[in-house]
Order: sequence, then C-alpha cells, then structure tokens
Amino acid sequence: GESVGLHLPTLSVQEGDNSIINCAYSNSASDYFIWYKQESGKGPQFIIDIRSNMDKRQGQRVTVLLNKTVKHLSLQIAATQPGDSAVYFCAENPGGYKLIFGSGTRLLVRP
Amino acid sequence: DAGITQSPRHKVTETGTPVTLRCHQTENHRYMYWYRQDPGHGLRLIHYSYGVKDTDKGEVSDGYSVSRSKTEDFLLTLESATSSQTSVYFCAISEGGSAFFGQGTRLTVV
Repeated sequence: GESVGLHLPTLSVQEGDNSIINCAYSNSASDYFIWYKQESGKGPQFIIDIRSNMDKRQGQRVTVLLNKTVKHLSLQIAATQPGDSAVYFCAENPGGYKLIFGSGTRLLVRP
Repeated sequence: DAGITQSPRHKVTETGTPVTLRCHQTENHRYMYWYRQDPGHGLRLIHYSYGVKDTDKGEVSDGYSVSRSKTEDFLLTLESATSSQTSVYFCAISEGGSAFFGQGTRLTVV
C-alpha cells in the first residue's frame, strides 16, 4: 500500500550545526510534499512544502530537497537551535485531497 | 492554529459509550480531516470531508462516523467507544494544499 517512511527515528545534533531529516515515499504518483513540525502537546505545524515539478525549495533556515528518481525527500535545518527540538513529519499527497504521513523523526538539539 | 478549535480538549469515557468530538473552523476552508495519532503510527487519516455533506473514509475509519452539516463544523463520532480508540485526535483544514491542524483532543477510553 501507499506509505511514507523515515530513515531515522531520532536525530541528535549539536546546537548551531545543520540538521538533515530524511524521508522515503513509496507512491510515484505523489506530486506534493510537506514537512511538519510537532512540539509536545501541540498539533503539527506547517514548515515548508514542495511540488513535484521542483527539486529544491528554501525557506527561512529550512530547505526541502526532492529526489523523484529515488523517491526521497529531505529537510535541512541550518544552524539548529534548541527551539527546533520537536518531531518532524513528512507528508505526501498521492492525489485527491488526502495527506499521508510518515511515522516521524524526533530531533534533539544538544546545548 | 489557523482558526481551528477542537472540543473537548480532553475526555475520559467508558467502553461502550458514544463520544462526539467537534472541530470548528473560521477559515471557510473546503476540506476538513480527522486524524488519530498513536505512538509508532504517526498520523493516520480517519475520515475527511470535501464539502458540506460530502465525506469519505480514510485508512482507519472502522468504528468512526462523521458529519458535516455546515462548512465550519466537522464532527467525529465513536458510536461505541473501545479501548483501542484511546488516542489523540487531530482535526485539520485545507484548501487543497497544505493542511493546518488544531491542538488535538486527548481521548481515553477506560
């Protein structure tokens, strides 16, 4: 079936370093991808999105890379800060109105 | 939270009782969703709506029903709650692109 997965369930980084969170998706028909951040006790919060006609998109301190050939998505966070500690989810839209989520990666930022 | 309110925020109920969770939006978005979140499973789609009175099943719809009589409200009903439905429930809204989430409802079935 359709699935969105993550390579690393937990990522620990030093404050100030760059973080890279990876995600593999299985549905080659997916044309829209989103990264969400979820802090403890809160709902997921939109970070950045990308459409399949792009391979890179940048936001403020974040960059999403899309490799359609290997069905891989990554989120890069520059100069990681303590406030970046959270669980990060990738989500894909395989068509229609649904979003399919991966199981999440926990990012821990060491001071 | 993009004008999304979930109620109640916390609820404890007994097995076999009916439970209704409410999602209210002030954004006039067309699409509304109910997800549940459990450890190790991420967010799983229960039901979604693409307009008033237009709903469809998600991947984990068994034991749940929904209704949308107004654009702003999307109700999730557990007809007879079971312990396996203990979870955190999130409502989300969308205009077809990214979805915006509410704060969640923590439901415990004892």
